[in-house]
Amino acid sequence: EVQLVESGGGLVQPGGSLRLSCAASGFTFSSYWMHWVRQAPGKGLVWVSRINSDGTSTSYADSVKGRFTISRDNAKNTLYLQMSSLRAEDTAVYYCANNWAFEYWGQGTLVTVPS
Amino acid sequence: QSALTQPASVSGSPGQSITISCTGTNSDVGAYNYVSWCQQYPGKAPKLMIYDVSKRPSGVSTRFSGSKSGNTASLTISGLQAEDEANYYCSSYTSSSTWVFGGGTKLTVL
Repeated sequence: EVQLVESGGGLVQPGGSLRLSCAASGFTFSSYWMHWVRQAPGKGLVWVSRINSDGTSTSYADSVKGRFTISRDNAKNTLYLQMSSLRAEDTAVYYCANNWAFEYWGQGTLVTVPS
Repeated sequence: QSALTQPASVSGSPGQSITISCTGTNSDVGAYNYVSWCQQYPGKAPKLMIYDVSKRPSGVSTRFSGSKSGNTASLTISGLQAEDEANYYCSSYTSSSTWVFGGGTKLTVL
């Protein structure tokens, strides 16, 4: 059974940093692209970032470029999102998803940045 | 990176068919056959229903189908059931090597 379990969310002050993790199991993690997608309270899904299977290629939404860094550790079957210079508008549930088509999703982790 | 355009809401009666549209540009929906649709119940994680425009993942009901014409993709749900009431989001790969989601459509089963 495929499982994606996000962690690391919480309350952080504006300008602060946070690192999210996504622990993967039930599939060959090292073979799949991975995404981060976020959803502000009561709003829709917004794509944040993706990384290819070996970690050599990444891309970001304009809204987070230069502030967020996606990475992965295939030995630990874990995806990361390092977030810095956080703003109130980054408040959201952050989901990880596997495959280029968002095949499986985790349950999400909430990041709150007060205004 | 403008969001794809979806209707805010659609509705239908049990047994009927409904179609949700997803309009992009010739830099995303129109350029690639990498359109996906996911279903999300309130407070829950999304679930993939359609990928690569019209392919269904294993376990997804055959009542769900996808198509594309030009810059507009569509999700059709036939034989509408009460359990289909949810939010639906389309997504597409873009020419910038990024992805973009639609704003979401709330489906109400009357």
